[in-house]
Amino acid sequence: GENVEQHPSTLSVQEGDSAVIKCTYSDSASNYFPWYKQELGKRPQLIIDIRSNVGEKKDQRIAVTLNKTAKHFSLHITETQPEDSAVYFCAATDSWGKLQFGAGTQVVVTP
Amino acid sequence: DSGVTQTPKHLITATGQRVTLRCSPRSGDLSVYWYQQSLDQGLQFLIQYYNGEERAKGNILERFSAQQFPDLHSELNLSSLELGDSALYFCASSLDPTGDGYTFGSGTRLTVV
Repeated sequence: GENVEQHPSTLSVQEGDSAVIKCTYSDSASNYFPWYKQELGKRPQLIIDIRSNVGEKKDQRIAVTLNKTAKHFSLHITETQPEDSAVYFCAATDSWGKLQFGAGTQVVVTP
Repeated sequence: DSGVTQTPKHLITATGQRVTLRCSPRSGDLSVYWYQQSLDQGLQFLIQYYNGEERAKGNILERFSAQQFPDLHSELNLSSLELGDSALYFCASSLDPTGDGYTFGSGTRLTVV
């Protein structure tokens, strides 16, 4: 089955700096790669996603890149702000279409 | 409001007991997924239903079971509860079983004492 690995597990950045989270996946049939942000005690919320026919997608300060050959995708947050502090999960669809999630990255943005 | 409704929001029960968690998917969504999130842990997939039929199963314990009803709401039954079952249980729904457009409910926080 699909296996998604996510790094790093924790990430501390100063306000204004960039943050990068990387994920790898195992199933070459995966074709949908969303990213979720989860604040403490709340539900995961979709922040950006990318499909296998696209290499990069950007939405304001957030961007995602996908390298299908290497089976890895990354989340880039620029000009980080304190409200970006949360746990971020990457995910990839498996052959059944369900999402397999990475273990999560705790991002802490310090003022 | 995501449109996915989970009840109850909080549940405290004793070891050995049985509980039922309920999920109403977003209007129009046919697929329902259940996830378990223990403290400081990731999202562990439990089970998926599509239009009333079980579609995929994860590492769901034999003490746990689920079903999706004709009106598409789903219930997750947890029995012979243990302390380690304490967790946040999330339900998510999507229009089709491809995982596209997953939306999560607010979760049920289960505490087993």
